[in-house]
Amino acid sequence: TQLLEQSPQFLSIQEGENLTVYCNSSSVFSSLQWYRQEPGEGPVLLVTVVTGGEVKKLKRLTFQFGDARKDSSLHITAAQPGDTGLYLCAGRKDTGNQFYFGTGTSLTVIP
Amino acid sequence: NAGVMQNPRHLVRRRGQEARLRCSPMKGHSHVYWYRQLPEEGLKFMVYLQKENIIDESGMPKERFSAEFPKEGPSILRIQQVVRGDSAAYFCASSPGSRGAEAFFGQGTRLTVV
Repeated sequence: TQLLEQSPQFLSIQEGENLTVYCNSSSVFSSLQWYRQEPGEGPVLLVTVVTGGEVKKLKRLTFQFGDARKDSSLHITAAQPGDTGLYLCAGRKDTGNQFYFGTGTSLTVIP
Repeated sequence: NAGVMQNPRHLVRRRGQEARLRCSPMKGHSHVYWYRQLPEEGLKFMVYLQKENIIDESGMPKERFSAEFPKEGPSILRIQQVVRGDSAAYFCASSPGSRGAEAFFGQGTRLTVV
């Protein structure tokens, strides 16, 4: 069973549209990271959120950590073809060492 | 993630051979994670190491797989007697090690067993 579930699994949108990707769990995390991975490459860290309710913005990307630190969302405004990629959330628990990765959302932005 | 160096980028091995994957962490990072990514699957944790110590190997298969992070040199993930099911992308990530520290990934090694 997957600790972190992402939705949607696949998303194909037109350039200029907005979108939201969700990362949900029944577990509490001390921190949550969002990564973007392109084909043939490693995941690239976008942001880390650590406080319940925290909102971070990175240009057109807005990340939110749920109040209970069990879920997170990534909102992209005015998507561009360069946003195309696999978006992964990863959570770290208070105990234990590993980062638990979500199932991933594959985003395609059509010019 | 350019700071984490993995080599080789691509590795082809015949069934029964050994595969050695190397990972040099970012400067100043003393902790290394190894993850495996199978086609159409997510990243699965394998092992977490500190210099000269294995901290958590709960995700490592009990047989044929081993990992080390010596005092000097890169971390090594070793797979003995490879089988077709070992074909995957193997990623290494490094962190400074402090609680809550972020992990930065390398570009991965794509292992193909023929």
